[in-house]
Amino acid sequence: EAQVTQNPRYLITVTGKKLTVTCSQNMNHEYMSWYRQDPGLGLRQIYYSMNVEVTDKGDVPEGYKVSRKEKRNFPLILESPSPNQTSLYFCASSPGQGAMFEAFFGQGTRLTVV
Amino acid sequence: DAKTTQPPSMDCAEGRAANLPCNHSTISGNEYVYWYRQIHSQGPQYIIHGLKNNETNEMASLIITEDRKSSTLILPHATLRDTAVYYCIASRRLDSTSYGKLTFGQGTILTVHP
Repeated sequence: EAQVTQNPRYLITVTGKKLTVTCSQNMNHEYMSWYRQDPGLGLRQIYYSMNVEVTDKGDVPEGYKVSRKEKRNFPLILESPSPNQTSLYFCASSPGQGAMFEAFFGQGTRLTVV
Repeated sequence: DAKTTQPPSMDCAEGRAANLPCNHSTISGNEYVYWYRQIHSQGPQYIIHGLKNNETNEMASLIITEDRKSSTLILPHATLRDTAVYYCIASRRLDSTSYGKLTFGQGTILTVHP
């Protein structure tokens, strides 16, 4: 089954404690991205990746890092989480070369930073 | 990406057609209309897309006006499980050198009632 898998689904952490949210897709997609969703602000893109070793900032990249060492994985790293990063996070993947219409999203990671 | 405008909420009776409008009066010639939906805090789900012709798939139909300034997503026989936030997005198609970002607005909350 084609899917994007995020882990963990829920996470409560303390300010400053580094964490990684993993994202993996099994569709051999070139494009992957991370979004955060906050009430009243909608979905905002954090980072995206066009292919292995190619990443770029989205609209709200501050406080986040990503890496794309393999095509299937695109982890989101919070080096020093702060309470304003409390949010619902989604990873997405889509085929390349003009076929971005159908983006597949993961089920989300609800992060709380206290 | 062209700005889209959707009504904040709509109701529909179960079994009836749900017609969700979207205004995109500033859409440019190379921008497609995409529809996604999000069922309560789950990852967004792709529904359908189109450029200028009407489109139909197993989930829905998309009607785009001749001047392309507006469109309507039609769920022919709405069920309770179609209750969700529906997003209309206008975005250009990817090419080999760029990455299109999906910009989600506030969407339309569709409530299907028995």
